[in-house]
Amino acid sequence: DAGVTQSPTHLIKTRGQQVTLRCSPKSGHDTVSWYQQALGQGPQFIFQYYEEEERQRGNFPDRFSGHQFPNYSSELNVNALLLGDSALYLCASSLFRGLDYGYTFGSGTRLTVV
Amino acid sequence: DQQVKQNSPSLSVQEGRISILNCDYTNSMFDYFLWYKKYPAEGPTFLISISSIKDKNEDGRFTVFLNKSAKHLSLHIVPSQPGDSAVYFCAGVRIYGGSQGNLIFGKGTKLSVKP
Repeated sequence: DAGVTQSPTHLIKTRGQQVTLRCSPKSGHDTVSWYQQALGQGPQFIFQYYEEEERQRGNFPDRFSGHQFPNYSSELNVNALLLGDSALYLCASSLFRGLDYGYTFGSGTRLTVV
Repeated sequence: DQQVKQNSPSLSVQEGRISILNCDYTNSMFDYFLWYKKYPAEGPTFLISISSIKDKNEDGRFTVFLNKSAKHLSLHIVPSQPGDSAVYFCAGVRIYGGSQGNLIFGKGTKLSVKP
């Protein structure tokens, strides 16, 4: 049973560029959440997608956008990259109506902005 | 405003002894608290949770204690094993209309268990 799959694992981009990160949720899960983990910090919530709609959003600028596809997979897009966007980006899948705290995390995408 | 705080960046214990990881929170609206463990190059893995209406939850070597009046929780690992060496994150979550909200994490505590 495959868990959460994220791609790519590592990425180097130049300031001002745009990036797209991808996530395939755990089988049976219908909700995808994205988190940003800066060095030495805990993961911070970016947004959550369910039924192809953004359901919740954290305190992140509009440069961060996302999408969820009918097969529940998701993309995170970041425009006009800043040096401060360098971080580990984690995708977590879950069941929208599940209360078993079954947030399953992927291994993340390490984004470096130079 | 940091709603979940882990004030100890690191903790070192001897194999076989007890590890106690602490977490404080400011948001009294959290419905559940969770502990996650994270190894390098891996995503966080769920360890144990506790409802805000409970004061203790136990799962094998792991026990979480919740003191609501002090807004404090702790994770006890007994006995500690070298494989427990990882970063431990405390997180709070609220329940909205039958579905869970987003996780709010602390900064983590790096546990080192020495053989």
